[in-house]
This record gives sequence, structure tokens and C-alpha cells, in this order.
Amino acid sequence: GNSVTQMEGPVTLSEEAFLTINCTYTATGYPSLFWYVQYPGEGLQLLLKATKADDKGSNKGFEATYRKETTSFHLEKGSVQVSDSAVYFCARSANTGNQFYFGTGTSLTVIP
Amino acid sequence: DTAVSQTPKYLVTQMGNDKSIKCEQNLGHDTMYWYKQDSKKFLKIMFSYNNKELIINETVPNRFSPKSPDKAHLNLHINSLELGDSAVYFCASSPGTGGFSQHFGDGTRLSIL
Repeated sequence: GNSVTQMEGPVTLSEEAFLTINCTYTATGYPSLFWYVQYPGEGLQLLLKATKADDKGSNKGFEATYRKETTSFHLEKGSVQVSDSAVYFCARSANTGNQFYFGTGTSLTVIP
Repeated sequence: DTAVSQTPKYLVTQMGNDKSIKCEQNLGHDTMYWYKQDSKKFLKIMFSYNNKELIINETVPNRFSPKSPDKAHLNLHINSLELGDSAVYFCASSPGTGGFSQHFGDGTRLSIL
């Protein structure tokens, strides 16, 4: 199969808590992996990406490491802020061709 | 200045009507997409064009017809709108096919009365 599975939400955290959103993928070969963020009322924005095994993508305090052995790309942040409240999507590219596969999204709410 | 722009942002219309959503990108990308996002935020690809040529056509009712007059534009026309068409429709673009990231517009919220 060619799918992306991410942790179901919603997730509610207090400010400064540690965040993990799990993401695993199934694929033949080595796709590129992405995390997108969607703030309320907006489109998706690329948060970070990794294109090969053991690559770490990072942006705005968020990190995710491409783990080939566990086919995972978990999103982490050490200390979340209220402004991080959004829906987070894990995604992978196809090995060939144009298809792009998104997970179902995980809603995060950070409370002060 | 906006990279991927869609119009209109909101569209409220009656069942049975025909409507169009327009999308333009100024990034010089070769590939454009239409996605549908339902109320649970699930994102489903509908169509993709590469250099004006249709390359992805998912299982979508044939009431939906994309048109790409040039590689910077991808419009979506919907005939005989139904209640189930209510959703947010996103346009996106990428430099090409393969492992490129996609740039999204802000979405068009379609509400069918």
C-alpha cells in the first residue's frame, strides 16, 4: 500500500509541554516525507521535510527524523506555544509520478 | 505577491447551480492540484495537471471539470451542485512531479444551501 497513518486527535496540551505527533508510512522505496501545518481559516503550509533516511527536518522549533527502519517521521517540539494551535498533516511523496499522500491530520490545541 | 491565489474565498449557492473556482500561481511551477477538505479536515486529491496536461484524475463525479488554460492557472468548474459538495477546496502547486513540496492557496469554502 501507499498510505500515511498519523496519530488521531484532537490533542490538547498546556503551554510549554512537549509535543509528539506520530506518523508512519507504507511505501516501496524511499519517498520524501513532509509535515504541513494548517492554521485556522488558512491553507496548508510546509512546516518541514526530509528527503532521505536519517535526515532531520526542522523549523520553528519543530523536528522530525526520517526513520527508514521504523518507517516513521514523528513530529516533535520541546515546548509548545498557544500560537502552535493548528492541524498538522504528515505526508509523503510517491516514489515515481505525481501522487502525494496525506495523513488524516491531527488537531492540536495549546492552552495557556 | 500571493504565491497561490484562489477566488472566491467564500461561495454560497443553491443546490443545482453551476459554479467555478479559479486558481493562479505566480511561482513558475509546472504542476497544479485541486484538493477537497471535508469537515473533519480529511484532505482528498481530486485532480493534478502538469504543464496543462491532466495527470491525476481521482474518483470524482464528472460534474467536476478542471481546466488549465496555461500552466499558471487551474480552474475548477462544478455542475449541478449537491449538498455533499459543501467543503473547502484547495488549490496547490509544485515545481514538478516527484518529491517536491506543494504550495497551497488559502482555500475556497463552498456552502450549498
